[in-house]
Amino acid sequence: AQSVTQPDIHITVSEGASLELRCNYSYGATPYLFWYVQSPGQGLQLLLKYFSGDTLVQGIKGFEAEFKRSQSSFNLRKPSVHWSDAAEYFCAVDLGSGNTGKLIFGQGTTLQVKP
Amino acid sequence: GAGVSQSPSNKVTEKGKDVELRCDPISGHTALYWYRQRLGQGLEFLIYFQGNSAPDKSGLPSDRFSAERTGESVSTLTIQRTQQEDSAVYLCASSRRVRTEAFFGQGTRLTVV
Repeated sequence: AQSVTQPDIHITVSEGASLELRCNYSYGATPYLFWYVQSPGQGLQLLLKYFSGDTLVQGIKGFEAEFKRSQSSFNLRKPSVHWSDAAEYFCAVDLGSGNTGKLIFGQGTTLQVKP
Repeated sequence: GAGVSQSPSNKVTEKGKDVELRCDPISGHTALYWYRQRLGQGLEFLIYFQGNSAPDKSGLPSDRFSAERTGESVSTLTIQRTQQEDSAVYLCASSRRVRTEAFFGQGTRLTVV
């Protein structure tokens, strides 16, 4: 069955430190890939997406993600974390089947930022 | 409107009652999605609308769940005879067309007591 795995449920980093959030998907072909952020009391906001082309994609708020086909991964990175980055992060895939655009989400990773 | 609007933001209902959740998508967005987010979990797809037709209802968990959409406008998700396991945040998203960026509302937090 198609699935999205975010292995880290909770991550704590110090402000200014680098960040990497992991995402792996299980699917035969290359899906469309997304990272969303959900801040407390807020809706989900799209950080970045990969459809095709350059495997390193840049997003908003200084985030980037790299698609690695061989590892079925789409990890999110940020060189220097800010306190305002504390939130829940979701990786999602659009499998494209039936062309509905529905997303399959990972369980989410909660990011805590220490001062 | 400026964004996807959902109402109510919070709903507490007694087990066995019916509830209606409303979603106002961004004007001009033809695709509309409903998702459910249980506590501590990711989002589960419920249903997809293209215009006012629903070509994908595969995520609706039971026949107690139904949804409709008026044209390319408002959608309502109805849960009949609510159960405690229906407690969750219900999120609506819309996109200009299928497979373009989806914009999410802030959700309706449903609590069944």
